Amino acid sequence: GESVGLHLPTLSVQEGDNSIINCAYSNSASDYFIWYKQESGKGPQFIIDIRSNMDKRQGQRVTVLLNKTVKHLSLQIAATQPGDSAVYFCAENSGAGSYQLTFGKGTKLSVIP
Amino acid sequence: EAGVAQSPRYKIIEKRQSVAFWCNPISGHATLYWYQQILGQGPKLLIQFQNNGVVDDSQLPKDRFSAERLKGVDSTLKIQPAKLEDSAVYLCASKTGGQPEQFFGPGTRLTVL
Repeated sequence: GESVGLHLPTLSVQEGDNSIINCAYSNSASDYFIWYKQESGKGPQFIIDIRSNMDKRQGQRVTVLLNKTVKHLSLQIAATQPGDSAVYFCAENSGAGSYQLTFGKGTKLSVIP
Repeated sequence: EAGVAQSPRYKIIEKRQSVAFWCNPISGHATLYWYQQILGQGPKLLIQFQNNGVVDDSQLPKDRFSAERLKGVDSTLKIQPAKLEDSAVYLCASKTGGQPEQFFGPGTRLTVL
């Protein structure tokens, strides 16, 4: 049978366009969130983080938005480049004080040159 | 600053055989994590160490998996005996005290035949 886990949500965007990747998290008590980028054959790489007392944080070309009411995170990438092609994971700190991350399913971003 | 090192990068074994993975965290990072990442899914925490002590191993299948960090620096993760469903990438991550961000190594891709 087919495994649902093998089929990541995929987002295809044109080079230069903006990308928005969404994530629903599970624990309303989570106090910290991270977005990681994982390229093929590599470990996850930190992109940007946000604490639960914020609703927006900006980095270089990336912005994370946090909506605690509906337990939703989004990652916005401005002027998407071919090097942004990867799988993106959101992770929540679900272990109070112990910094344990629970990862979401991931979204595969494909940038069309 | 050198990143998290892992070896081997790839391993192919037959079911019921044993295998061990090694991780060298970033210098000075007291907290070390082992994750299992099945194809198409996010990393799942197996075990968390603080120096040479186990903080959480609740998700480690202890009938076949074991891990140690005897001197509080390097760590090894062992599987004995391996099953087909253990085929995955095994990621090691580390973090420094007071900072929630985890830094990941490149992972070891295990294939069990």
